[in-house]
Amino acid sequence: EADIYQTPRYLVIGTGKKITLECSQTMGHDKMYWYQQDPGMELHLIHYSYGVNSTEKGDLSSESTVSRIRTEHFPLTLESARPSHTSQYLCASSEPIGPDTQYFGPGTRLTVL
Amino acid sequence: GENVEQHPSTLSVQEGDSAVIKCTYSDSASNYFPWYKQELGKGPQLIIDIRSNVGEKKDQRIAVTLNKTAKHFSLHITETQPEDSAVYFCAASKGDNYGQNFVFGPGTRLSVLP
Repeated sequence: EADIYQTPRYLVIGTGKKITLECSQTMGHDKMYWYQQDPGMELHLIHYSYGVNSTEKGDLSSESTVSRIRTEHFPLTLESARPSHTSQYLCASSEPIGPDTQYFGPGTRLTVL
Repeated sequence: GENVEQHPSTLSVQEGDSAVIKCTYSDSASNYFPWYKQELGKGPQLIIDIRSNVGEKKDQRIAVTLNKTAKHFSLHITETQPEDSAVYFCAASKGDNYGQNFVFGPGTRLSVLP
């Protein structure tokens, strides 16, 4: 079982609110990721980080932003939530080299009304 | 860039039967192919993986085969059980290079009927 945590697990919020989705891992992994999972199940990479102070945009454009101040922490922020942001958000981490296995957190299901 | 296709999108089997999910990839440089299982309300969990220097790998009821020439790989589940019901994702990665990310297939929803 991987030691990667996401909070909250479920969030229902009104349009225009600022939200932060938390992701933490205790494995000391340098590389971390955020995926957005649509109702059709597909996983879309929206952000990733190679390590502290590194953030990169993924394949799917997203209005969210991320930060990486500590190795173990990779929060995702939406400054002004909209209904189009309603989705499942999954955080993952992996070692920088070697098997490259990604370990996923349980996800945050976000609903914006 | 890499493109991963996965078939079928949904699969129903009777308990005890075998299930096969197939994926194809486009980038011949890809060398690491994991399979993830996602149960309802949970994140994907790695169930088996294979590297390009191996043609087949087995772990109890689960096996993965890789055909580098044809650029396709498959997941085989034998003696299926109701707890195998989940969404399965294949992925491809150039795993030896720092900074390479996975490309996931669109997923297969497997239902094992009692």
